[in-house]
Amino acid sequence: AQTVTQSQPEMSVQEAETVTLSCTYDTSESDYYLFWYKQPPSRQMILVIRQEAYKQQNATENRFSVNFQKAAKSFSLKISDSQLGDAAMYFCAYEDYGGSQGNLIFGKGTKLSVKP
Amino acid sequence: DTGVSQNPRHKITKRGQNVTFRCDPISEHNRLYWYRQTLGQGPEFLTYFQNEAQLEKSRLLSDRFSAERPKGSFSTLEIQRTEQGDSAMYLCASSLGQGAFETQYFGPGTRLLVL
Repeated sequence: AQTVTQSQPEMSVQEAETVTLSCTYDTSESDYYLFWYKQPPSRQMILVIRQEAYKQQNATENRFSVNFQKAAKSFSLKISDSQLGDAAMYFCAYEDYGGSQGNLIFGKGTKLSVKP
Repeated sequence: DTGVSQNPRHKITKRGQNVTFRCDPISEHNRLYWYRQTLGQGPEFLTYFQNEAQLEKSRLLSDRFSAERPKGSFSTLEIQRTEQGDSAMYLCASSLGQGAFETQYFGPGTRLLVL
């Protein structure tokens, strides 16, 4: 069964600095999708960034970028120029390509604090 | 607001009672998902619908849980004979339903506390 591991329960970053959140996963599939979701306190979860496994180029969305290492099964999220509004729980998630479509498998999350 | 909505936002019940939650997806979305999130954990998949058809159910969805989406629009999740272990946040999400690798849009969740 596929699993997603986030080894950092909590992280802290100074405003305007850069932080990297780690995520590793385990799968025997070659085609799959990876996501980072953000869950602010008492607010709904929103998609931050996503990556298709067959694409070697790392996805970027403004201040957010990923470092996707398929062989190492690693999918880290880099947040540049951190802002106070980035404070939230961040979840890494995995989705099979051809199997259980829509069945996202989440990690336990990393709580990010941003210090002014 | 055209996002995913869930009602109620909070529910406190006594053990053994039945509860029902409602989810209204984004209007043009064909897929609807239910997840459960316990404290300190990421969401866990429960079930999903493509229009009115329930296509997959997790082993987490015991016989006490039932989900419906009768007209392919809103969905309900019912828990019968609630147990304290059912206390969690129940999240609903929706997506267009045109294939894999779709963005799922989440609702605010229903927080259930079973006393």
